[in-house]
Amino acid sequence: DVKVTQSSRYLVKRTGEKVFLECVQDMDHENMFWYRQDPGLGLRLIYFSYDVKMKEKGDIPEGYSVSREKKERFSLILESASTNQTSMYLCASTTYAANTEAFFGQGTRLTVV
Amino acid sequence: GNSVTQMEGPVTLSEEAFLTINCTYTATGYPSLFWYVQYPGEGLQLLLKATKADDKGSNKGFEATYRKETTSFHLEKGSVQVSDSAVYFCALSDNSGAGSYQLTFGKGTKLSVIP
Repeated sequence: DVKVTQSSRYLVKRTGEKVFLECVQDMDHENMFWYRQDPGLGLRLIYFSYDVKMKEKGDIPEGYSVSREKKERFSLILESASTNQTSMYLCASTTYAANTEAFFGQGTRLTVV
Repeated sequence: GNSVTQMEGPVTLSEEAFLTINCTYTATGYPSLFWYVQYPGEGLQLLLKATKADDKGSNKGFEATYRKETTSFHLEKGSVQVSDSAVYFCALSDNSGAGSYQLTFGKGTKLSVIP
């Protein structure tokens, strides 16, 4: 079974903490994505990466950074967590080929207090 | 830029009712279209897709037809079950090559099916 695995299902962090969300895929996919999901807003793209060490900003990159040192792993970093970053975070991966589906992790629900 | 608009929810139906969730899109080029489903407490999973005009995607009794003339990809099911209760997302993939096949999502429609 193909898999995208996020390191935590639930996280509670304090304001100002540095937070790492990890995502690993076992499908040898080139593209990886981080989204956040909020009620009424759907999924919004934070960052994506199309190759190792490559990254591109999505629609809402402010307050976030990413790291992709290995093809299978894509990390989302909140440099200084704030309460407005409380959300569900979803990681996804796809191949370069057109028309292919994205595979999603199970999500990490982050609460910043 | 690309965008996807889907009907606002929540939608509540009785078991065995007919379901339609409307989805329209704006895109340059020739996108692929997808419906994803998110069951409670889980990530998204692909429900069905269509890659060119007039294609029909189908899975688990759900269907959607890629209509280029109306830029639509409405999701339908003839008889819903309680187990279909979930959030449904319409999405498109930009195949122009400029966006590395990013997915653009609608805001999601929550469906509740009552016995």
